[in-house]
Amino acid sequence: SQTIHQWPATLVQPVGSPLSLECTVEGTSNPNLYWYRQAAGRGLQLLFYSVGIGQISSEVPQNLSASRPQDRQFILSSKKLLLSDSGFYLCAWKGGGEWETQYFGPGTRLLVL
Amino acid sequence: GQNIDQPTEMTATEGAIVQINCTYQTSGFNGLFWYQQHAGEAPTFLSYNVLDGLEEKGRFSSFLSRSKGYSYLLLKELQMKDSASYLCAASDSNYQLIWGAGTKLIIKP
Repeated sequence: SQTIHQWPATLVQPVGSPLSLECTVEGTSNPNLYWYRQAAGRGLQLLFYSVGIGQISSEVPQNLSASRPQDRQFILSSKKLLLSDSGFYLCAWKGGGEWETQYFGPGTRLLVL
Repeated sequence: GQNIDQPTEMTATEGAIVQINCTYQTSGFNGLFWYQQHAGEAPTFLSYNVLDGLEEKGRFSSFLSRSKGYSYLLLKELQMKDSASYLCAASDSNYQLIWGAGTKLIIKP
């Protein structure tokens, strides 16, 4: 069966510091991968998605970036965090078929102070 | 533009039935998803509808009307553990999900 991992689970970072969040998927190959952010009490905002190694689509211009160095690894980064980057970051995967369902990792709660 | 509307919060009693509505406007449509999200946790998949009608899964059912741009999630025999947010998401012409802000369901004993 497929599993998706994210780490760390929680993170407290000062403004201006860098960020690296990692997501890995097991039990599937060539998944579509997604990074979402959820602000407190709000819906999901799609940040990036990837359909393959090195292929990244950005949905929202901001100070975040994403990379996919391996088939089942997806990384979210920032060189300098802003207060507004605080939130719940969720990684999701979907099989290659267009009609398939997205499944979420456990998430990383980021607090920027 | 693309938009999903669902109520912000609903309250129901343990053992009762509740219906959570969702209306959507998307450029193209490739199905409607419902997810459950407990506080502090990630969303978990509940149901998917692409054709008109009712899909039943145990205590949970989901309905879709494509002509009306409308869906609902029906929860029967409510239990305290059903207290959560319920997220509605529509798949657009590019098979990307457009998300609603979620409906927080509070269950009272």
